[in-house]
Amino acid sequence: GENVEQHPSTLSVQEGDSAVIKCTYSDSASNYFPWYKQELGKRPQLIIDIRSNVGEKKDQRIAVTLNKTAKHFSLHITETQPEDSAVYFCAASLYSSASKIIFGSGTRLSIRP
Amino acid sequence: SAVISQKPSRDICQRGTSLTIQCQVDSQVTMMFWYRQQPGQSLTLIATANQGSEATYESGFVIDKFPISRPNLTFSTLTVSNMSPEDSSIYLCSVEGQGVYTGELFFGEGSRLTVL
Repeated sequence: GENVEQHPSTLSVQEGDSAVIKCTYSDSASNYFPWYKQELGKRPQLIIDIRSNVGEKKDQRIAVTLNKTAKHFSLHITETQPEDSAVYFCAASLYSSASKIIFGSGTRLSIRP
Repeated sequence: SAVISQKPSRDICQRGTSLTIQCQVDSQVTMMFWYRQQPGQSLTLIATANQGSEATYESGFVIDKFPISRPNLTFSTLTVSNMSPEDSSIYLCSVEGQGVYTGELFFGEGSRLTVL
């Protein structure tokens, strides 16, 4: 079955700097890679996703890149702000198979003022 | 999108007791998912609740410990039976979005259980 590894487990960056979180997956059949953000005490929420027919996707300050050959994908946050502090989870699945989604272990991102 | 209500939001339970968590969705959905999030950990799927059939459990989770009901297309319950301190976790109900939201999981607020 699918296995998703996520690094680092914790990340602290200065406000205004960039943050990068990396994930690898094992099942080459996976074709959908969402990222969820979970603020302290809140529910996880999707912030960006990418499908395997695309190499990069950007939404304002966040972007995700996908390397299918190497089976890894990354989340990039630029110009970090205090509200970016949260736990971020990557995930992999077959598109439209939410029952098969596998989450990474999470990255706790802290933004230093 | 989907709006999901879960209750209780939190509870403190005694060892050996059982607690039922309720999940209500604002639209009809085929599958509802139950996740467990242990302190500081990731999201682990417990089971998928299908209306009109038995729930499908993931490896490591059994029906006797986590019985699930799915009486209609907008409601489900998860019971945590014969609780021990190791069951202290956040339990989250989730559904997949439809239409343009296909693939996206929407979560309830979670039920934080502490077992003493």
